[in-house]
This record gives sequence, C-alpha cells and structure tokens, in this order.
Amino acid sequence: QKEVEQNSGPLSVPEGAIASLNCTYSDRGSQSFFWYRQYSGKSPELIMSIYSNGDKEDGRFTAQLNKASQYVSLLIRDSQPSDSATYLCAVNPPGTSGTYKYIFGTGTRLKVLA
Amino acid sequence: DVKVTQSSRYLVKRTGEKVFLECVQDMDHENMFWYRQDPGLGLRLIYFSYDVKMKEKGDIPEGYSVSREKKERFSLILESASTNQTSMYLCASRGGINQPQHFGDGTRLSIL
Repeated sequence: QKEVEQNSGPLSVPEGAIASLNCTYSDRGSQSFFWYRQYSGKSPELIMSIYSNGDKEDGRFTAQLNKASQYVSLLIRDSQPSDSATYLCAVNPPGTSGTYKYIFGTGTRLKVLA
Repeated sequence: DVKVTQSSRYLVKRTGEKVFLECVQDMDHENMFWYRQDPGLGLRLIYFSYDVKMKEKGDIPEGYSVSREKKERFSLILESASTNQTSMYLCASRGGINQPQHFGDGTRLSIL
C-alpha cells in the first residue's frame, strides 16, 4: 500500500472554477504536509506548508488538513490556465525515517480549460 | 529565498562513463537529497545527507554514490552509467525538521 496517495488525473476544470486536489496518507502521526506545483519539464515548486488541522489560505490557494481522517487537500480558487500543472503532495512521516525523508505522492495532473 | 543550483540542465553521456552531478545550496541547510523522477513513477529518493560527510541510502541507491565534503555541496556520482539511468535528476535541500524541501531546476540526463 502506497504511503501517500493521489489521484493521477487529469482533473479538468473550467477557467474561474475551484479546483480541488486531494491526498491521503497512511502514517498516523505524520506532522508536516506540503503541496508542490510542477510544470511539465520543470522541478517542483513549493506552494503551501500546513502543520495543524484546519485551513490555511495563501492568495488563491487553500490547504486543508484533517489528521483524524488522514487527508490533506489543496483548493485553487478562480483557476487559471497557468495553474495547469502536476500537483505533488508530500508528507513527513513519524519516526526516525521521517526526521530526514519525506514521502511524495505521484501527483495529480490539473488541466484548466480556457 | 532558498537557492539550490544544479550544475547542468541537460547532459548527454555514454554507457560506462563515470558521471558527476553537482548541487549547491546557499542557505546553510544541513539536509540535502538526490531524487530521480520518471514518468509514472514519481519522485524516488536515491541518497540523502544530513551533515557533512554523512550520507544514507534512499530507496534506489544501486548504481549511484554520493559525496558531501562541504555543507553547501552534494554530488551524485553514477559509477558506470547505464541506459536505465536516463532520467530527470533533482537535488533538494531542507533546513530544520518539518521544514519544506526546496528543489533545484533539475538535470535531464541521457545515457546513450
């Protein structure tokens, strides 16, 4: 069983809509969670970090964390064609392995249709 | 802002060559990582380092070695390049525990 799971997509949304990206993780006790955006042929770029249950907003992006249900999500409001990319979820698992290594999901491809 | 610099964006090498990929970070981060990324397989950790001269194997270390002689520099070495090592290689660094990793621009390596 994968430790961090994401739907590979593609997730297609019309321009101006809200895009909702989800990520589930297996290690209860995981402490820190990150969302990265990766354009085709480029490297991952950090969008959001979240550490506590609830919502965290940054501009058009909102990260939501629910540790009891072991999921983290990313909402993109007013989606733009420039948001079309693959979004990676990363989790810091508990235990000594998590001290150094993060677990990355395989990403969800988002397509925003003009 | 964190700056992670990889020495080459594109590299073409021949089978059997010894290949060096260099990575430098400017934030005095203790932790550095090397990943490879292939379509459908996501990011796979090759090696990481948590201090100068300290290294640990990741999930796919076979055929690779690393060197960290200075805190800011982490090198990935392909001892004898093979075609199945053709991939995108990504270096990352991280500060303290629970801090995010920051990636370099990546090196697209082709082994012919």
